[in-house]
This record gives sequence, structure tokens and C-alpha cells, in this order.
Amino acid sequence: QQQVKQSPQSLIVQKGGIPIINCAYENTAFDYFPWYQQFPGKGPALLIAIRPDVSEKKEGRFTISFNKSAKQFSLHIMDSQPGDSATYFCAARKGGANNLFFGTGTRLTVIP
Amino acid sequence: DADVTQTPRNRITKTGKRIMLECSQTKGHDRMYWYRQDPGLGLRLIYYSFDVKDINKGEISDGYSVSRQAQAKFSLSLESAIPNQTALYFCATSVAGTNNEQFFGPGTRLTVL
Repeated sequence: QQQVKQSPQSLIVQKGGIPIINCAYENTAFDYFPWYQQFPGKGPALLIAIRPDVSEKKEGRFTISFNKSAKQFSLHIMDSQPGDSATYFCAARKGGANNLFFGTGTRLTVIP
Repeated sequence: DADVTQTPRNRITKTGKRIMLECSQTKGHDRMYWYRQDPGLGLRLIYYSFDVKDINKGEISDGYSVSRQAQAKFSLSLESAIPNQTALYFCATSVAGTNNEQFFGPGTRLTVL
């Protein structure tokens, strides 16, 4: 059973658009929610992360919005660029553990 | 030099063969992980190790075994490979702590015929 559900599976936007990737979870024991970015032929790399005590975190053009009551969180990419074309994974971790549960991934394509 | 290295990067093998994938890290991290990535399924944890004497099963450990030979080395073995183990395999490392950022290697693409 998928612990973290991610959508959409793929996304195509024009340069400058704002792609949004959504994730949902059920386990209220999760206390840390990172997003990883993966380029073709590379391993995933941490992009940005949030804890459930805040509703939003912004780092550069990347923003996480977190809705604790709905058990949902999303990644927004402002002013998207062709270089942002990659696969994005959301993840969640249970408090006290180190294991991450990953979503199924979203392949983003930004068209010039 | 890469902090987390995996060998081999690509491997084609036949059903029933024993395969070992190796991971080395120079980050000095105590925690190491093995994941497999399949299209549409994301990354799933196979095994993890918090130190040399600590090995734990992940979500999908059946058909796999691991060995933590040293703090810097963590190997994944498929004792008798089967076609549905065809996947991209990633090793990752982290330190203990609240943020738990995991650093991934470049991956090994394994094909079982």
C-alpha cells in the first residue's frame, strides 16, 4: 500500500508557468516531508523540506504548501525554466525513524 | 570524486544468477540504504543499516540480502535473480538527526533476462 500518494504522474508546462505537484498521506505519525528532484541518469537529490508545524516554506522559486488537517502537501515551482525538467518525488518520514516513504513521482517537462 | 558511488552502473544477467551490487561512500555517514526504483512505483526501500552491526528490512526485502562490510560499504545481493527484479537500484546515505537528508548514489540499472 502506497503510504504517500502523488499526482499527477506527468506534467507539461510552458516556460514561466507554475507547475503544482500534489501529495497526500494518511499516517499522522509522519513529521517530516521532503521533496526530491531527479534528473535523468542521476540519483534523487533533496530539493526542499517542511515540517507540519508550518503551512508554507519557500526556497528560491520552490514553495511547499502544507495542509495538516487535510493531510496534503504540494510543491509549486514559480517561473519554471527548462532546467527544472526532472522527476519530482515527495516523501514522508515517521517521527523517531529515518525511513522515508516516497511518492510515485511526477515527471515535469518545461517547454521553452 | 562522487561522495556515494555504486558499482556496477549497468548489469545484464540471467534468471537464477547471483548478483551483488556495491555501494561505497566517503561522506562519513553512519546510515546507509538500498532502494529500487520502478516506473510508476517511485522509490521503495529494500534494506537499511544504521551502523555496521545494525541491518533492517525495508518494505520489499524478499529476494534480497545485504552486507555492511564497513561503515563506508553496503552491498546488496540477489541470491537468485528473477525478471521482476529488473529495476534501477539506488544506494543512499544519511547521518542521524532530525532532518535526515539522504544522499543518493548514481544508481545501478539491473536487467534480469
